[in-house]
Amino acid sequence: NAGVTQTPKFQVLKTGQSMTLQCAQDMNHEYMSWYRQDPGMGLRLIHYSVGAGITDQGEVPNGYNVSRSTTEDFPLRLLSAAPSQTSVYFCASSYSSPGLTYEQYFGPGTRLTVT
Amino acid sequence: QQPVQSPQAVILREGEDAVINCSSSKALYSVHWYRQKHGEAPVFLMILLKGGEQKGHEKISASFNEKKQQSSLYLTASQLSYSGTYFCGTEKSSGDKLTFGTGTRLAVRP
Repeated sequence: NAGVTQTPKFQVLKTGQSMTLQCAQDMNHEYMSWYRQDPGMGLRLIHYSVGAGITDQGEVPNGYNVSRSTTEDFPLRLLSAAPSQTSVYFCASSYSSPGLTYEQYFGPGTRLTVT
Repeated sequence: QQPVQSPQAVILREGEDAVINCSSSKALYSVHWYRQKHGEAPVFLMILLKGGEQKGHEKISASFNEKKQQSSLYLTASQLSYSGTYFCGTEKSSGDKLTFGTGTRLAVRP
């Protein structure tokens, strides 16, 4: 199993450009999520999904879009990049079952710089 | 709303003990603990469910006080490999989104 994979590992964008961060998992996990990590701010939830076709907003969703057309993939789209979106982005996934809670598996992260 | 972690940072000598606290203003269903090494992804340590249970992982254990909505992570006889940033994540109900605290930086010196 590859686990959770993210591409690219590094990216530099100019203000106003758009791009998609890719996330895929091969563990058949229903739950997937995107976090951004900034110094002193911890991990902040951007968007999450409890299954294909179902997405919801986290704490900091503005400027980002997601979709979940398959169980395996959960791409994150930056619509018009801004310097405030410079951050490290982590994708995570876990099993999901009513009444239970499971550990999250994190991808290696994407380091994004917006100039 | 992010849970609050304390302390923000701690420095230990090898063999010393430490406690990291995580508290929430809302009723919790579970508390997760993760450790992140510099430049790497967070790695799962343990989950605690409401009911005040304790769990252990090597020389790292944790408790969850449901009445206080607080969890504590205990690191005993610390090793150099314990260095990193520790995050707690909280769920208000089963299957809910996981909300992380701002982290506690732990450095263990020889």
